Amino acid sequence: DAGITQSPRYKITETGRQVTLMCHQTWSHSYMFWYRQDLGHGLRLIYYSAAADITDKGEVPDGYVVSRSKTENFPLTLESATRSQTSVYFCASSYDRVRSPLHFGNGTRLTVT
Amino acid sequence: RKEVEQDPGPFNVPEGATVAFNCTYSNSASQSFFWYRQDCRKEPKLLMSVYSSGNEDGRFTAQLNRASQYISLLIRDSKLSDSATYLCVVNMLGVPSGSARQLTFGSGTQLTVLP
Repeated sequence: DAGITQSPRYKITETGRQVTLMCHQTWSHSYMFWYRQDLGHGLRLIYYSAAADITDKGEVPDGYVVSRSKTENFPLTLESATRSQTSVYFCASSYDRVRSPLHFGNGTRLTVT
Repeated sequence: RKEVEQDPGPFNVPEGATVAFNCTYSNSASQSFFWYRQDCRKEPKLLMSVYSSGNEDGRFTAQLNRASQYISLLIRDSKLSDSATYLCVVNMLGVPSGSARQLTFGSGTQLTVLP
């Protein structure tokens, strides 16, 4: 099915490990986003990308790295995971930055022990 | 003042009731508006876009008041399945292009429909 998919759905990792969350969309949307959502907080933007090879920081980028070598993929890497990065991570995409809504993947629940 | 504000609720209403949520925004240059629903930390799902003239989708009606800078969502004949958190999203085109602040989420309004 076309859409936006994230993997893995659940991940447990240890402090200090590197972990990569994957995001793939089949709509050829230009814009892609990574959000985290924690209890007591709304959605917070980590990074976004306007096109392949164009990425920019969001509200909470520290400790994360992104890349976008292909339009359809937008992986998020935690270089050295910390407990404060335990969260639910949502990837999203949109056709443009002006009028189009975001479409979200079903999330990755990450626990850092 | 937050750029997008919602009453967090919770709103507890009986089945069949009509309930309305408001969402205020601070940037008058905002251009596009959306309502999403989110179930129990699942992904937010687009409920409806909000158009200047107002729009309706079944039991749901969305309206935009540019003069007072708020959008609203009205749910008629509430169902148990409407229980969720409702998020408003504002696309603020007045901020620098590409800014992380451009697309801003409200913190959500929690609705519980009671049998």
